[in-house]
This record gives sequence, structure tokens and C-alpha cells, in this order.
Amino acid sequence: GQQLNQSPQSMFIQEGEDVSMNCTSSSIFNTWLWYKQDPGEGPVLLIALYKAGELTSNGRLTAQFGITRKDSFLNISASIPSDVGIYFCAGRETSGSRLTFGEGTQLTVNP
Amino acid sequence: GAGVSQSPSNKVTEKGKDVELRCDPISGHTALYWYRQSLGQGLEFLIYFQGNSAPDKSGLPSDRFSAERTGGSVSTLTIQRTQQEDSAVYLCASSLGHLQQPQHFGDGTRLSIL
Repeated sequence: GQQLNQSPQSMFIQEGEDVSMNCTSSSIFNTWLWYKQDPGEGPVLLIALYKAGELTSNGRLTAQFGITRKDSFLNISASIPSDVGIYFCAGRETSGSRLTFGEGTQLTVNP
Repeated sequence: GAGVSQSPSNKVTEKGKDVELRCDPISGHTALYWYRQSLGQGLEFLIYFQGNSAPDKSGLPSDRFSAERTGGSVSTLTIQRTQQEDSAVYLCASSLGHLQQPQHFGDGTRLSIL
């Protein structure tokens, strides 16, 4: 089945540092999404990407749809304590309707 | 509210019992999805409804799992004869349609099987 590898699994950083995480897939996607999940809540959409090479920002967050259509990254600049949570990438294949989710990146920000 | 609503938020039941989980999607969203999230894991697709089309049930882990969507809106996920491995958070999401529309999630139902 579809494989989607997300890394790193966890990150421990100091407030103010920049963060980068990425996802790679074994097949081509036509959509990449990045979500954040806080404890006890459902994932919240951060950024949606629809075209290869697309670079999209949402405040301090920037995400890119890889040119090969098999990868995406998310960057967080100048991290703050409320950035703590689990970040998931998700992708949709060209032929299917379902989203495939990565295993998540647990981010901890130390004040 | 304007978001996806799920109930109950928590459910504790004994092994062997049946459970029903409910999802109210965002008004106007024609697509509805169910996912399962085990502790510390990503989201596992279960089932997908789009309008009046036949649902995509390919993610259901066994025949003990079933889901319905009545009137194109509210959906119920039913788990029969629950097992301890069914313990997880069950998340529902909806979107405007299945073509490239992002999914919006509810806060989930945390199911614990004793």
C-alpha cells in the first residue's frame, strides 16, 4: 500500500529557533496538506498545496510541494511555545480519493 | 457551531458490547470521512462517503465495523462486539467534495474498551 514517511518523529527546540520537517511518499500525490493536532483535539489544517513546486506561507509557517510530487516540507520560523503539538502531513494520490497521513512529528518548544 | 461535531467525546465500554459514534459534518459538505487514530500514531482511513455515491469502505478493518450516512448529512460509525484493540480515537472529517478539497476534522471520540 501507499507509504508516506514523515521525519523527524520528534523535535525538541528552544523558543525562537526555526523548525523543518518533511514527508516523502512512494508514489505521486496531487495534493499535500499539513495539519497540526493539539492534545484532545482533531487535526487543524495549516496549509494546503495543489501544484508541484508550489510554495505557500501562513504566518510563520511555510510549506512546499516538491517538484517530483513525492515530497513536501513544512518550515516554522521563530518558534513560540504555542507551536507545541503534533504536525501531520497528508497526501492524496492522483487516482484516489483518500488521504494518506504521515506518522506525525511531535514538536516540543522550550521557553 | 460551524465545525464538525462528534459525540460522545469519550466512551468507555466493556469488551463484547456494541458502540455507536456520531458525526455531524459542516453544513453543505458533501464528503465525510472516518479515521482511527491509535495512541501516538497517525490517522488510519476507515470509510468515505461522497454525496449519494456508494461509500468507499476499503479501510474498515473487519466486518464488525460499519457506517451509515443518513440524508447526506449525519453519519454513524458502529462497532459490534468490541475488542480491546478497538480502543482508539475515532475522528470524523468533512469537506466540500472529494476533489482536492481539504478536510476539516472534529475533535474525535476517545473509545476505551475494558
